[in-house]
Amino acid sequence: DAGVIQSPRHEVTEMGQEVTLRCKPISGHNSLFWYRQTMMRGLELLIYFNNNVPIDDSGMPEDRFSAKMPNASFSTLKIQPSEPRDSAVYFCASSLTRVRSEKLFFGSGTQLSVL
Amino acid sequence: AQTVTQSQPEMSVQEAETVTLSCTYDTSESDYYLFWYKQPPSRQMILVIRQEAYKQQNATENRFSVNFQKAAKSFSLKISDSQLGDAAMYFCAYRSERGSEKLVFGKGTKLTVNP
Repeated sequence: DAGVIQSPRHEVTEMGQEVTLRCKPISGHNSLFWYRQTMMRGLELLIYFNNNVPIDDSGMPEDRFSAKMPNASFSTLKIQPSEPRDSAVYFCASSLTRVRSEKLFFGSGTQLSVL
Repeated sequence: AQTVTQSQPEMSVQEAETVTLSCTYDTSESDYYLFWYKQPPSRQMILVIRQEAYKQQNATENRFSVNFQKAAKSFSLKISDSQLGDAAMYFCAYRSERGSEKLVFGKGTKLTVNP
């Protein structure tokens, strides 16, 4: 298995532009998580899906952020319009709901820089 | 809501020596899982060790072991015979058995290993 696949690995954009981050979870996993990592706040959960349905989006900062999971093998996190304070590493992770003792499998992250 | 606290932003250790990283958490639940993740400069999130709250025995994985004190809500990581490759950010994390399946992270401890 290739693991959780995220793209792009790096994204540099200008303030006001739309940014779309992509994630392909591990095949067979039914839970998908989006985390944001910054020096100040550490790793924060933005949103998670179970069986493609958003369960907890309380971590989504504001209306500029949106996430979708149209099917079990793909999810997107969109920021529109982007701002410099959105600069961070964004991680996608997946797991099996019924095995809480198992680790989350993380992608390699997207380093986002908003100028 | 559960919280995880890592009180040591940075730690250092001499190669071949032993170091202990601290972690405390707050929860009203009785069933849960605790994890230590390592994040080297590559950004990859690597599971180091996990502990089931119902197990009294402390988990060990080669040079890594934990001191799990359920009543005190403490979960420290001991790294023995430290190696240069152990240098990384270390994150403590909590996962509920029955509630939200998200992973709640501490802010991390940056470990430096001196030759």
